[in-house]
Amino acid sequence: RKEVEQDPGPFNVPEGATVAFNCTYSNSASQSFFWYRQDCRKEPKLLMSVYSSGNEDGRFTAQLNRASQYISLLIRDSKLSDSATYLCVVNRNQGGKLIFGQGTELSVKP
Amino acid sequence: NAGVTQTPKFRVLKTGQSMTLLCAQDMNHEYMYWYRQDPGMGLRLIHYSVGEGTTAKGEVPDGYNVSRLKKQNFLLGLESAAPSQTSVYFCASSYSGLAGGSADNEQFFGPGTRLTVL
Repeated sequence: RKEVEQDPGPFNVPEGATVAFNCTYSNSASQSFFWYRQDCRKEPKLLMSVYSSGNEDGRFTAQLNRASQYISLLIRDSKLSDSATYLCVVNRNQGGKLIFGQGTELSVKP
Repeated sequence: NAGVTQTPKFRVLKTGQSMTLLCAQDMNHEYMYWYRQDPGMGLRLIHYSVGEGTTAKGEVPDGYNVSRLKKQNFLLGLESAAPSQTSVYFCASSYSGLAGGSADNEQFFGPGTRLTVL
C-alpha cells in the first residue's frame, strides 16, 4: 500500500463546478501536509499548506482529519486555468523529506 | 532571482553511459533534494542534503550518487545508466526541513530534466 494515496482521476468538470479531491496517508507520525499543483510537463508548485483547523485561500479550501488520516481539497467555481494535476504531500519531519501521492488530474472544460 | 535551475533539460543516454545532472539555487537554502517522477508513481525522493557537505539517501537511491560541495549546488550522478532510470528528474530546495506549515519549509522545484536511457 502506498503511504499517500489519491484518486488518480481524471476529473472532467465544466467551468463553474465545485470539485473535491481526497487523499489518505498511512503513517500516523506524519507532521505536516500540503497540496501542490503541477501543470503538464512542468515542475510542482506549492498550492497551500493544510492545517488541522482547515484553511481557505480564495476558491480553494483544504481540510485535514488526523483521526481518519485524511486530507481534502475543495475547489469552488472552477476555472479553465485550474486544469492541472494536484499532488497530496506529507512531511514526516525527517530532514524535510516529502512523500507525494501520485496526483489527481483535473480538466476543466468550457 | 533565478530560483532553482537544472541542467541539462533533456538528455538521451545509452545503457552503461554516465552523466551528471546539475542543480543550482540562488535562494541560500540549506536543504536540497533530488526526485524522480514516473507515470502513476508520483515523485520519489532519490537523495537529499541538509547542508553543504552532507548527503543522505532517500526512497530510491540505488544507481545514483550525489554531492553537495557548495551550498548552492547539488549534483546527481548516474555512473552506469540503465533503461529503468528513464524518468523526469526534479531538483528542489527549501530553507529548512522542519515539519509545520511555515514558509520556511516550502520546497521550490526546478524545471526538470527529461532523461531517456536506451
